[in-house]
Amino acid sequence: DAKTTQPNSMESNEEEPVHLPCNHSTISGTDYIHWYRQLPSQGPEYVIHGLTSNVNNRMASLAIAEDRKSSTLILHRATLRDAAVYYCAHFSNSGYALNFGKGTSLLVTP
Amino acid sequence: GAVVSQHPSWVICKSGTSVKIECRSLDFQATTMFWYRQFPKQSLMLMATSNEGSKATYEQGVEKDKFLINHASLTLSTLTVTSAHPEDSSFYICSSGTAYTNYGYTFGSGTRLTVV
Repeated sequence: DAKTTQPNSMESNEEEPVHLPCNHSTISGTDYIHWYRQLPSQGPEYVIHGLTSNVNNRMASLAIAEDRKSSTLILHRATLRDAAVYYCAHFSNSGYALNFGKGTSLLVTP
Repeated sequence: GAVVSQHPSWVICKSGTSVKIECRSLDFQATTMFWYRQFPKQSLMLMATSNEGSKATYEQGVEKDKFLINHASLTLSTLTVTSAHPEDSSFYICSSGTAYTNYGYTFGSGTRLTVV
């Protein structure tokens, strides 16, 4: 299966932008890149997904490299409620199940 | 948006007993349901994919006779952990979605299973 690589942890100050990177060098040309976040003892929450061009929604922005081997999730103004584990993911080789990377634990400090 | 309701949120059972976890799609038809397991401080690991009306497909290393999945309707999928042992203690999560949606995949809230 294709793999994703993310930093184990990152830290940000409240109200500052956060850039969370993910490498997915073996992703296929037609697979969407997904991002989810998870709070302790909860199921993951959808954040954003995209294929080739940059994507924006009310939660975040997703910047996808031109060669699609990496992407960056951008939180424009981090809040304390954004503290979570952020996962990038894409489809497994066996179908449409999402394969998750190890995730980045984001700490937001006041 | 699509909502998946998962129950129970936590369960404690004795070794050797079976536990059933339910996932219901509340406002959409879940043709496919994915089941994940997550150990503490680790990422989600796909266990199996179930399609309504057919047998589930299990990932390599997952015992299909131990983790029974039933997806008999478009709104309900169940995972039964049979003859549970302490090493089965984990956080189990279901998920559903379609490949090309504007809203991503939807996840249940998870079930914390503790086998004593």
